Amino acid sequence: AQSVAQPEDQVNVAEGNPLTVKCTYSVSGNPYLFWYVQYPNRGLQFLLKYITGDNLVKGSYGFEAEFNKSQTSFHLKKPSALVSDSALYFCAVRAGYSSASKIIFGSGTRLSIRP
Amino acid sequence: GAVVSQHPSRVICKSGTSVKIECRSLDFQATTMFWYRQFPKQSLMLMATSNEGSKATYEQGVEKDKFLINHASLTLSTLTVTSAHPEDSSFYICSAPFGVPGNNQPQHFGDGTRLSIL
Repeated sequence: AQSVAQPEDQVNVAEGNPLTVKCTYSVSGNPYLFWYVQYPNRGLQFLLKYITGDNLVKGSYGFEAEFNKSQTSFHLKKPSALVSDSALYFCAVRAGYSSASKIIFGSGTRLSIRP
Repeated sequence: GAVVSQHPSRVICKSGTSVKIECRSLDFQATTMFWYRQFPKQSLMLMATSNEGSKATYEQGVEKDKFLINHASLTLSTLTVTSAHPEDSSFYICSAPFGVPGNNQPQHFGDGTRLSIL
């Protein structure tokens, strides 16, 4: 069965510093991995995905994520944090090949960027 | 712009009321949609998979008679919380895969519905 773990409930970073939000996964086949961001009282916004190809995936708002097969990780990164990046971030794994397959979410990590 | 529209964004009603939440795909067809429930400061819990023209597939522990799902067209899925009680208060979110259901498309989410049962 597929699962996703986000070990940190909260990450605090000063504005301008690099940030990392951690995610590890467990899948029985090829991993289809995603990062989403949620602002208060809103749905989820897609940031980036890993399906196949380059291990470094670039996404929206300057975010990127590195797929590491040996460590089964898919950490979200940004070189220079902005206060507006403060939000709830979810790592997710898709349960199958098709985009119509259900998605399993991690527990979420609250990112707080201080000015 | 938004590709999935969810309505209403907020509902406050009395215990015993049935509440219908709509999820629409904008400018694309969605044979499959997903309904999630999110408690405060928690992750999204998949409730059910909505399939156009057939019965929804419910996750274990989700009451089918409590949470009625209808996917009567390729652009609309509805979730009806029947005889809602305070414990049903939550944030409900729908999603749909955008585009041809191959392996490259992410799911897009509605903005959610905050349901408060008094």
